[in-house]
Amino acid sequence: QVQLVESGGGVVQPGGSLRLSCAASGFTFSSYGMHWVRQAPGKGLEWVAFIRYDGSNKYYADSVKGRFTISRDNSKNTLYLQMNSLRAEDTAVYYCAKDGGIAVAVYYFDYWGQGTLVTVSS
Amino acid sequence: EIVLTQSPATLSLSPGERATLSCRASQSVSSYLAWYQQKPGQAPRLLIYDASNRATGIPARFSGSGSGTDFTLTISSLEPEDFAVYYCQQRSNWPQVTFGPGTKVDIK
Repeated sequence: QVQLVESGGGVVQPGGSLRLSCAASGFTFSSYGMHWVRQAPGKGLEWVAFIRYDGSNKYYADSVKGRFTISRDNSKNTLYLQMNSLRAEDTAVYYCAKDGGIAVAVYYFDYWGQGTLVTVSS
Repeated sequence: EIVLTQSPATLSLSPGERATLSCRASQSVSSYLAWYQQKPGQAPRLLIYDASNRATGIPARFSGSGSGTDFTLTISSLEPEDFAVYYCQQRSNWPQVTFGPGTKVDIK
């Protein structure tokens, strides 16, 4: 069965950096686009970033563009999110999510990890 | 940015009742709309995609309808496990996908 397991969350000071990882199993990771979606405490969902199945295309929400970098290692079945210049408003649970389309992204999220909490605070 | 509005914010119903949730888009999203269910402390779960297609393993009591700017998620007869928050999401102007603010279905 599909499993997505995030790690790397924690408490970081404003302006700091953090790298999140998402270990995938139960499907052919190299055939699917992957996303990061976040949820601030008590709030709704916000799409953060997408990476194509082969890593050739990456897209970001305006709120994180220039600060966050999505990447993947298909040999390790792992997705990453490098977060720099963190702000208080980046505080959220970060979910990795599998795109519902094979090779061609459909921008629906058919499987999600359990999430990892990032807290930006001094 | 396409803004999604969901109504009502909270829906108080009893098990066995029918739930009707609404999602309205600020401009047409064709049929490129999905619905997710989220329970406390859990990740969201995809229920419906492309407005009316049930995702894998989703019970038949969940159905979606609509196109353009107005969409509806219907739960025909609420089970105890259906009390949760429901989000709609559009993918019409990918990659800038957006979610609605959610509708909480709670027990009356």
